[in-house]
Amino acid sequence: NAGVTQTPKFRVLKTGQSMTLLCAQDMNHEYMYWYRQDPGMGLRLIHYSVGEGTTAKGEVPDGYNVSRLKKQNFLLGLESAAPSQTSVYFCASSYNPQRSSYNEQFFGPGTRLTVL
Amino acid sequence: AQKVTQAQTEISVVEKEDVTLDCVYETRDTTYYLFWYKQPPSGELVFLIRRNSFDEQNEISGRYSWNFQKSTSSFNFTITASQVVDSAVYFCALSEAYSGAGSYQLTFGKGTKLSVIP
Repeated sequence: NAGVTQTPKFRVLKTGQSMTLLCAQDMNHEYMYWYRQDPGMGLRLIHYSVGEGTTAKGEVPDGYNVSRLKKQNFLLGLESAAPSQTSVYFCASSYNPQRSSYNEQFFGPGTRLTVL
Repeated sequence: AQKVTQAQTEISVVEKEDVTLDCVYETRDTTYYLFWYKQPPSGELVFLIRRNSFDEQNEISGRYSWNFQKSTSSFNFTITASQVVDSAVYFCALSEAYSGAGSYQLTFGKGTKLSVIP
């Protein structure tokens, strides 16, 4: 049982390049989330998904796109990276909070992205 | 809108001292969940505890204890007899039963960095 995994762990991009971050979970969770963590800011929600084939915007969605083609995977894409997207990205998953009180989010190890 | 405030940015204690991390939250919902997460220097986020708004019972788990008081909108975390391994950033977070489009997103405080000095 690997929990939540993220690839890659580190990445350096040049401004304007694109990339995709992959998140996978093996806990059969319905909900999945992408957050970014910046110094002094805590974690902020980028996008989330309440189930396979559905996605929605969070607090800071600009410059990112997501897809959830399979229940266990949640992809975060940067089409044209900017230095402001330098951050640590965390994926998380949880059971459906509307059906379970065990709704804590479990986080992946994070991806450290630097955009030059 | 929901909000979480962790007024203590950094705390330093000497090993074996007790330390309390403060968390104050704001929400308009009557049903909500509160969480504490630990982020050690290695960077991962570790879930510590969940508490729902209907359960004000305090909880103790080993050296950790949590004090939830709805009257003051606080959910404080105490570490007894602190150890060097407790050094980490601790985040308090809030999830409303219905937040906007139903994301149940976590609203995090900005974290408290705890340093335990040997």
